[in-house]
Amino acid sequence: GAGVSQSPSNKVTEKGKDVELRCDPISGHTALYWYRQSLGQGLEFLIYFQGNSAPDKSGLPSDRFSAERTGGSVSTLTIQRTQQEDSAVYLCASSLIGGLAGVGGNEQFFGPGTRLTVL
Amino acid sequence: GQNIDQPTEMTATEGAIVQINCTYQTSGFNGLFWYQQHAGEAPTFLSYNVLDGLEEKGRFSSFLSRSKGYSYLLLKELQMKDSASYLCAVANTGGFKTIFGAGTRLFVKA
Repeated sequence: GAGVSQSPSNKVTEKGKDVELRCDPISGHTALYWYRQSLGQGLEFLIYFQGNSAPDKSGLPSDRFSAERTGGSVSTLTIQRTQQEDSAVYLCASSLIGGLAGVGGNEQFFGPGTRLTVL
Repeated sequence: GQNIDQPTEMTATEGAIVQINCTYQTSGFNGLFWYQQHAGEAPTFLSYNVLDGLEEKGRFSSFLSRSKGYSYLLLKELQMKDSASYLCAVANTGGFKTIFGAGTRLFVKA
């Protein structure tokens, strides 16, 4: 596609329910990132994929959070047993390559985000 | 620990020059990014520095000093549309994990 897309754009759920957020990266981009942004705050790194593997999961807040990526393309972020503190905008980004200093192509292109509200 | 510091807010006048500073302490360094984020929108890439010195791109320039853990973003000929948050971000060793600062909200007034 022309850019990174995410769905849904908005999700309202009840505390304790599971939610699944989807990210479609730019075609051909090998690296994919998930971030969380609370109102008025900076971006909090959650997880990074290079291809289908996730070398760094250290940013996931708890074991209720998981993510997968299949076919080197679409990624889903799943939050189980949602809590009110999970309310935030979840941003996905992709880059042509990842992890190579000084080489063009590692800038990240962001999707519009999914606004999650847990009641 | 890992820490990126930037001022919370700045105000500047249309047509002027503004410099947004960023200091960082991270576990390893594999490049520093600046992103622009308008309210309610996703961040967009502005610049990338991995070597010391100044990178110029039109009205925007970014400077890096790795020994000082310091960068700045320079915006010239400010326009009203430059009112946004500016995010400083550092990629750690290997470049996989990108740590973002809280952002600097810039208000451009007429």
